[in-house]
Amino acid sequence: QKEVEQDPGPLSVPEGAIVSLNCTYSNSAFQYFMWYRQYSRKGPELLMYTYSSGNKEDGRFTAQVDKSSKYISLFIRDSQPSDSATYLCAMRRAAGNKLTFGGGTRVLVKP
Amino acid sequence: ETGVTQTPRHLVMGMTNKKSLKCEQHLGHNAMYWYKQSAKKPLELMFVYNFKEQTENNSVPSRFSPECPNSSHLFLHLHTLQPEDSALYLCASSQDEGARRVGTEAFFGQGTRLTVV
Repeated sequence: QKEVEQDPGPLSVPEGAIVSLNCTYSNSAFQYFMWYRQYSRKGPELLMYTYSSGNKEDGRFTAQVDKSSKYISLFIRDSQPSDSATYLCAMRRAAGNKLTFGGGTRVLVKP
Repeated sequence: ETGVTQTPRHLVMGMTNKKSLKCEQHLGHNAMYWYKQSAKKPLELMFVYNFKEQTENNSVPSRFSPECPNSSHLFLHLHTLQPEDSALYLCASSQDEGARRVGTEAFFGQGTRLTVV
């Protein structure tokens, strides 16, 4: 079993819809949770980070963490064609700096 | 100047060649990383350097040799690679403040697309 599971997609939505992404993980030691966006032929770009359980909102993006279920989510409101990319979840323990990534979900927002 | 710069962007090399990838960060961070991204696989951490000292080698074959001369520069020296080593190699940096880090997560470069023929 992979430490972090993420549906590869593609997830296709119409412009303006809400994009819902999620990851599940098996290691209860993970404390910090991140979402990265990666455009084709580019490096990953940090979108959101959260510490432990709870919600965090930043503009059109909302990140949720449910540690009891070992489940994290990213929601993108009012999606735009420019949101078309691969979204990677990542997480790490409280100490150390090793990130464990999901495989990424490819998102397509159609005009 | 972007935060993390990698050169070259693309590299094609034969299995007997020796080449090096370069990474430079302009963010004042003290930790640098090499990651490998292969098709349909998660990002794999290869090496971690904190304050120029290697703190993690994630069971990487010896044909990959990292070098960190200072906290702003990181190299990955390549020799006698195999075709399965073809991938996107990503450099990242972060500010590591030990166990009490607060959100200064890793920032990535654009990557070097490596093809081994």
